[in-house]
Parts: sequence; structure tokens; C-alpha cells
Amino acid sequence: AQSVAQPEDQVNVAEGNPLTVKCTYSVSGNPYLFWYVQYPNRGLQFLLKYITGDNLVKGSYGFEAEFNKSQTSFHLKKPSALVSDSALYFCAVSQLYNNNDMRFGAGTRLTVKP
Amino acid sequence: DTEVTQTPKHLVMGMTNKKSLKCEQHMGHRAMYWYKQKAKKPPELMFVYSYEKLSINESVPSRFSPECPNSSLLNLHLHALQPEDSALYLCASSQGGAGLRITDTQYFGPGTRLTVL
Repeated sequence: AQSVAQPEDQVNVAEGNPLTVKCTYSVSGNPYLFWYVQYPNRGLQFLLKYITGDNLVKGSYGFEAEFNKSQTSFHLKKPSALVSDSALYFCAVSQLYNNNDMRFGAGTRLTVKP
Repeated sequence: DTEVTQTPKHLVMGMTNKKSLKCEQHMGHRAMYWYKQKAKKPPELMFVYSYEKLSINESVPSRFSPECPNSSLLNLHLHALQPEDSALYLCASSQGGAGLRITDTQYFGPGTRLTVL
């Protein structure tokens, strides 16, 4: 079965600095990877996904993620963090031939300080 | 328009009550989902409907009963819930197609915060 791991419960960065939220995955075939963000008391908002093609995926709000097959990683990045980026970030994976659809990581709380 | 709406936003119910959660989307999506999310935890898949037919039930207790009356609506009927069922219930939809396409992006509603007393 597929799974994702987000090794950091919490990430703190200063506004204007680059940010990275880490995600590693485990699948037996080709992974389909997603990043979602959740603001307090809200549903999840889609940021970006990797299906195939370019390893660098650009998404909403200036976020991007790099698919690294050898390291089985899909880290989320942003060159310059904003205070408004503070939220809970979830990595998720789907896999072909598995009808259980998406599996989410445990989430990483990002705090951007002014 | 990538909006999924859910009503009510908050619901408090006793263990003997019967209530329903509603979800609606007008994006023409053919796959709809219910997730349960406990505080500070990731969403857990409960049910998936594809073309208005239940395609996935993740071994959810029968006190949760989903219904998909048409392609735009998804309900979750609640009966005899337990306090541990208190959570944020999220609805999502995706384009779908010939069956579920797992590469499709899922769009989430804001959720219903359920408290069972």
C-alpha cells in the first residue's frame, strides 16, 4: 500500500526567507503526489500535483515542489515566505491500481514569523 | 468555479439524534468523497461515490450512511453516533471519468464541525 511521511510536525521560518516542507513517499509503482494546505477551521486547498513529466512542479501562491525519484521525496518549497503562508500542509499520494485513492501524510504546521 | 459547499458549518447532536450533513458541487464532477478529520490529524477517507454509485466504503460503521441523490449532491446521514465521532467532516469532489481517476485533483469543501454529546 502507498504511504507518505512528513518528518517534521512543525516548521518555523522568518518572513522573506525560503521555506521547505518535507515529504517522502512509499509506493510499489509510479506515485501521483499532491500537496494541500489547510487554514484553521477550513477545508483543504489544492496547491500542486506531480503526475508525470518535469520534476519541478509549480503551483498556487508561489509554491513549487520537486519530485525526486531516487530519494522518493516530494518536498514543497517557496523562495520567500509570507506570514499568510502559516497553515497546516499535507502531502498525499495516490497509486495506479489501488482503489483506496489518496493517502495523506500526518501534516506539517508551518509558522512564518514577521 | 472550484467550490464545494457543505452545510451545516457546525452541528451539535446527542447520541440518540438523527442528522444529515450535506455537500454540493456544480463543477460537473462525477466523483465525490467523504473524509473524517480529527484535530491535528490528516483526513481519513470514509466513502467514495463514482457516477452516483458507492465505489469505496472504508469499513465505516453503519451509524454513518452516505447517499448520493444526484451528481451534484452528497449526503451523510448520522444516527446513534458516539462522542468519539466528533470531528471535522470534509466533502470533496473530483472530475472522475471512466471510473475513478486517481490523478484527478480533489477539491474540498470547508467541512462540517460535528460535536456528539
